[in-house]
Amino acid sequence: KQEVTQIPAALSVPEGENLVLNCSFTDSAIYNLQWFRQDPGKGLTSLLLIQSSQREQTSGRLNASLDKSSGRSTLYIAASQPGDSATYLCAVPDQTGANNLFFGTGTRLTVIP
Amino acid sequence: EPEVTQTPSHQVTQMGQEVILRCVPISNHLYFYWYRQILGQKVEFLVSFYNNEISEKSEIFDDQFSVERPDGSNFTLKIRSTKLEDSAMYFCASIRSLGGTEAFFGQGTRLTVV
Repeated sequence: KQEVTQIPAALSVPEGENLVLNCSFTDSAIYNLQWFRQDPGKGLTSLLLIQSSQREQTSGRLNASLDKSSGRSTLYIAASQPGDSATYLCAVPDQTGANNLFFGTGTRLTVIP
Repeated sequence: EPEVTQTPSHQVTQMGQEVILRCVPISNHLYFYWYRQILGQKVEFLVSFYNNEISEKSEIFDDQFSVERPDGSNFTLKIRSTKLEDSAMYFCASIRSLGGTEAFFGQGTRLTVV
């Protein structure tokens, strides 16, 4: 069974800093990897989907990389802002069956003004 | 932009009562899912649904749970006799097709069992 791990569990940075969030997964046979943002008590907002054939995907100040062979992905956030404060989750789909997602426990990011 | 919508946003129910959580997936999506997130824990898969039947379910999805697509748009999760440990955030999600398409989630229903 796929296991997804995220480190660190929490991160606090001053505004303007660049930062990296890490995600690792145990089974490298994945279709894709998806990064989500979750605000407290709220739903999951999709940030980036990176396909298994891609190494990077960018959206604005966000850049996700994927190294399938080592079972790792990183989410890079440039020039962090207080509005980026949230929990960031990564998830990979089950290759078999109905592609349900396996989630990591998330990284809780706080950007200090 | 199309989105997955869930109602209600928050439901409080007494232990032993039945609850129905509702979802409207994105209209051209074919696969639908329910997940739950107990406070402070991971988002966990409950069940997937395709072509009007369950395609996969987790060990969490026992006989007290059921899903249904009663019409062309709604997708529901029923919990027959709620327990305290059912208190969680429940998320509905949908994807267009298998093989690596993006999953879209609703805003969730916070279920509190008292």
